[in-house]
Amino acid sequence: EAQVTQNPRYLITVTGKKLTVTCSQNMNHEYMSWYRQDPGLGLRQIYYSMNVEVTDKGDVPEGYKVSRKEKRNFPLILESPSPNQTSLYFCASSLSQGYSLNEQFFGPGTRLTVL
Amino acid sequence: KQEVTQIPAALSVPEGENLVLNCSFTDSAIYNLQWFRQDPGKGLTSLLLIQSSQREQTSGRLNASLDKSSGRSTLYIAASQPGDSATYLCAPSGGYQKVTFGTGTKLQVIP
Repeated sequence: EAQVTQNPRYLITVTGKKLTVTCSQNMNHEYMSWYRQDPGLGLRQIYYSMNVEVTDKGDVPEGYKVSRKEKRNFPLILESPSPNQTSLYFCASSLSQGYSLNEQFFGPGTRLTVL
Repeated sequence: KQEVTQIPAALSVPEGENLVLNCSFTDSAIYNLQWFRQDPGKGLTSLLLIQSSQREQTSGRLNASLDKSSGRSTLYIAASQPGDSATYLCAPSGGYQKVTFGTGTKLQVIP
């Protein structure tokens, strides 16, 4: 089944404790992206990757890191989480044709709480 | 910076009505625009993708139009059903594959 998976689905942690949220897709998509969703602010793009070893900042990259060593995986790293990073996080992937994206497919989301 | 507005923010209609959801964006230099639905506590489900060269895209009871020059897209839902109740999001995709989401329209279809 074609899908985007994220782990963990739920995470409660404390300020400053490094964490990684994994994202994996099995559709051989070039493009992958991370979003956070907050009430009243909608979905905002954190980082995206157009292909292996190619990443770029979205609108809210501060406090996050990403890497794209393999085509199927795009982990999101919070080196020192803070309470303002409490949010619902989504990973997405898409086929890419030059600068144009195709349909984006989303993972189920990771609900992160930072105490 | 792209800004995306969706009006109305919430909508409640009786079952069977035809309805229109609006999406406007400030930067018309987009490659495509995608419409999604999101059920409470769930992820996003893709509904329609319109390329910048297209004016309309249809899937079942859904029809999406795109007027790139005026920075507008509309999602038309025919014969609404209670199962259509969800939040609908539009997302134009511009240069360098950046994607910007609107804050959504929360739709409730009353049986």
